[in-house]
Amino acid sequence: DAGITQSPRYKITETGRQVTLMCHQTWSHSYMFWYRQDLGHGLRLIYYSAAADITDKGEVPDGYVVSRSKTENFPLTLESATRSQTSVYFCASSEWGGDTGELFFGEGSRLTVL
Amino acid sequence: DQQVKQNSPSLSVQEGRISILNCDYTNSMFDYFLWYKKYPAEGPTFLISISSIKDKNEDGRFTVFLNKSAKHLSLHIVPSQPGDSAVYFCAASALNSGNTPLVFGKGTRLSVIA
Repeated sequence: DAGITQSPRYKITETGRQVTLMCHQTWSHSYMFWYRQDLGHGLRLIYYSAAADITDKGEVPDGYVVSRSKTENFPLTLESATRSQTSVYFCASSEWGGDTGELFFGEGSRLTVL
Repeated sequence: DQQVKQNSPSLSVQEGRISILNCDYTNSMFDYFLWYKKYPAEGPTFLISISSIKDKNEDGRFTVFLNKSAKHLSLHIVPSQPGDSAVYFCAASALNSGNTPLVFGKGTRLSVIA
């Protein structure tokens, strides 16, 4: 089915471990985004990408790494997870960069770092 | 510094009454505003938007009002229904400054009581 999918939906890991959250979209949208949602902070942008091999930092990029080798995939890696990275992570895509219309969000990946 | 502010974390409204959700912004460059709705365990979904050249936009039961001089926008839901119970995020972008990612507020949790 067409859409945007995230995996895993739920993940528990330990401090210091590397974790990768996957995001895949089937619309061939140019732009993709990673947000995190935390109580009291709303949605904060981590990284975004305007096209394959083009990525930019958002508001809270520290501790995260992204890549975009293919238009449809935008994985987010936590190289050494910390408790402060416990959050719900949302991937989104858009054809216009998100400022002229909708962002289409995935269902989210809930990450717990122990 | 928070550029998009939703100062009411929560709001309760009786079914059939009007729900008014407020949003303030500080960046005078913002010229495009959106509202997203989020149910638990789902990603946010686009609800309605407004450009700064307008002061009102309607879509069925949902109306967004923009007061540029006050840097304030509001979402009106009339009549409110139990299915409207969700978290609502206000978002803004500086369209004329290029493809800048959306900046989100912290969200307001709306509860519509039957």
